[in-house]
Amino acid sequence: QVQLQESGPGLVKPSETLSLTCTVSGGSINSHYWSWIRHPPGKGLEWIGYIYYRGTTNYNPSLQSRVTISLDRSKTHVSLRLSSVTAADTAVYYCARGYGELESWGQGTLVVVSS
Amino acid sequence: DIQMTQSPSSLSASVGDRVTITCRASQDMSTYLAWYQLKPGKVPKLLILAASTLKSGVPSRFSGSGSGTEFTLTISSLQPEDVATYYCQNYNRVPWTFGQGTKVEIK
Repeated sequence: QVQLQESGPGLVKPSETLSLTCTVSGGSINSHYWSWIRHPPGKGLEWIGYIYYRGTTNYNPSLQSRVTISLDRSKTHVSLRLSSVTAADTAVYYCARGYGELESWGQGTLVVVSS
Repeated sequence: DIQMTQSPSSLSASVGDRVTITCRASQDMSTYLAWYQLKPGKVPKLLILAASTLKSGVPSRFSGSGSGTEFTLTISSLQPEDVATYYCQNYNRVPWTFGQGTKVEIK
């Protein structure tokens, strides 16, 4: 059974770049779509974007100018970069597998944007 | 973007009660709808896909229905372990969007 684990700094300063990694174990990155979703405190879930294992990406237009999702060369990690962060980017960030319905999720990692 | 409106935002019910959560879409999305269960500190769980298909391993007390713009998630007999927040999700078109969530508690 595939397992996903998000990791990265829990605190990022305003205007800097948020960088997170999703480590995939118990399954292959191949033949799947991989999404990032975030959950700001007190708000609903927001889909950030996805990457297909072949490299095709699709981003939420609300974040498109600041987001990059990539796969690493070993193809065991899915990465998220979000530039020019503000306090509004404070959230629990999740990675998930699936196209459409998100069948497997990580536990999420809290990222706070603060000076 | 397709806007998803869930109701109620929270509910409190007794163990064994039937619970229904509604999700309305701002435009027709056929049956491209999923339901998720989120518990604090736990891995989010996909419950229902394609509006009414129960994911393998999910208890049969959960069911989904609807198409077009109106959808429901029903828990036929609420159990203590069902305390969670439930979200619907549009995947008819990008950007995929979620409802604001329904928090379910035990009375």
